[in-house]
Amino acid sequence: AQSVTQLDSQVPVFEEAPVELRCNYSSSVSVYLFWYVQYPNQGLQLLLKYLSGSTLVKGINGFEAEFNKSQTSFHLRKPSVHISDTAEYFCAVNLGGYQKVTFGIGTKLQVIP
Amino acid sequence: DAGVIQSPRHEVTEMGQEVTLRCKPISGHDYLFWYRQTMMRGLELLIYFNNNVPIDDSGMPEDRFSAKMPNASFSTLKIQPSEPRDSAVYFCASNGGGRDSPLHFGNGTRLTVT
Repeated sequence: AQSVTQLDSQVPVFEEAPVELRCNYSSSVSVYLFWYVQYPNQGLQLLLKYLSGSTLVKGINGFEAEFNKSQTSFHLRKPSVHISDTAEYFCAVNLGGYQKVTFGIGTKLQVIP
Repeated sequence: DAGVIQSPRHEVTEMGQEVTLRCKPISGHDYLFWYRQTMMRGLELLIYFNNNVPIDDSGMPEDRFSAKMPNASFSTLKIQPSEPRDSAVYFCASNGGGRDSPLHFGNGTRLTVT
């Protein structure tokens, strides 16, 4: 079985400050990991993905995530956030080649001017 | 590409009525997924199709829910009869099925059952 835990339901942060959104997963086999972003009244969009190779993955809008196998984590980071980053962020996992993606509960990022 | 297209964007109906949600996936995508999003349960996979064939419907809550994909460019999710607890945002997503293929989501249908 696979599951995803997002440890923070809401994260407030001041504009231009750094942010980290935490994600832990559980799976007994190799996984593919994703971060998606959801803006109000829209569907989810892919931010970045980890399949294999380098553990540091860069995505769109200046976000990056680091895969840590020993800690089963895939935390999302941005060194300096902008007001437009206010959205909900979802960590997701699926087993290699398997189409059933499991999403975390989501973390609401609120950027404060 | 126009992306995944869902209709309607909003649906308000009374308990007991039939509701039909529609989805047009991205052309060329072999997989189509229906998700439901609620505050309490987050994003739940209801059912997914491969080449128009339902592969896994274990997430469909009960017999009141049914989904079809009559061709590669159209799918429906039907609830009959609807209940207030079905109120949620329903998303359709598609992808090409490759190991690195992310999901492409529509903008969702917000369903309110009164």
